[in-house]
Amino acid sequence: QKEVEQNSGPLSVPEGAIASLNCTYSDRGSQSFFWYRQYSGKSPELIMFIYSNGDKEDGRFTAQLNKASQYVSLLIRDSQPSDSATYLCAVNSGGFKTIFGAGTRLFVKA
Amino acid sequence: EAQVTQNPRYLITVTGKKLTVTCSQNMNHEYMSWYRQDPGLGLRQIYYSMNVEVTDKGDVPEGYKVSRKEKRNFPLILESPSPNQTSLYFCASSSWDRAGETQYFGPGTRLLVL
Repeated sequence: QKEVEQNSGPLSVPEGAIASLNCTYSDRGSQSFFWYRQYSGKSPELIMFIYSNGDKEDGRFTAQLNKASQYVSLLIRDSQPSDSATYLCAVNSGGFKTIFGAGTRLFVKA
Repeated sequence: EAQVTQNPRYLITVTGKKLTVTCSQNMNHEYMSWYRQDPGLGLRQIYYSMNVEVTDKGDVPEGYKVSRKEKRNFPLILESPSPNQTSLYFCASSSWDRAGETQYFGPGTRLLVL
């Protein structure tokens, strides 16, 4: 069974700090990696995707992928209270099947 | 405005009574997918469709059917719902280009099967 693991949290960080969210996956054949943000009672929203090893930056968000370690992370710089949400990691193994982690709850304290 | 719509948004039904949850997108996306979300389990993929008349099973397809007769619509059918299908359901549509992936989720359908 292919798996995607995330620490459920909650992860609490002060406003302005860097929030680091981590995700590991079991399928070495995985090719596409995604981070979603889901506010309570709302739909998931795609915020980052990464296909290659290394870092990908978009505004305050940086996704990091290490395929050798089967590890993908999301860094949120200058965290704001509005970043408080559940962050879902998802992995696609080259077809169209997508496996999600259970999510990490993030709280940013003002 | 780019949009994925789902209907109904809330539904209470009884075991065995067939139901359909509709999903429609206005972005001409080829790829559509259905997920269910349960506490502590995250999102689990039920079915996906790569294009009209092309569908395939996700991780938890048992008890569900789908069809893709038109590009914009991807209904989810529960022929004989059971209480373990009580869940929050999301439809999503996606496209890819050189810039990467674009994906939108619908607002969700909360289903209670008694």
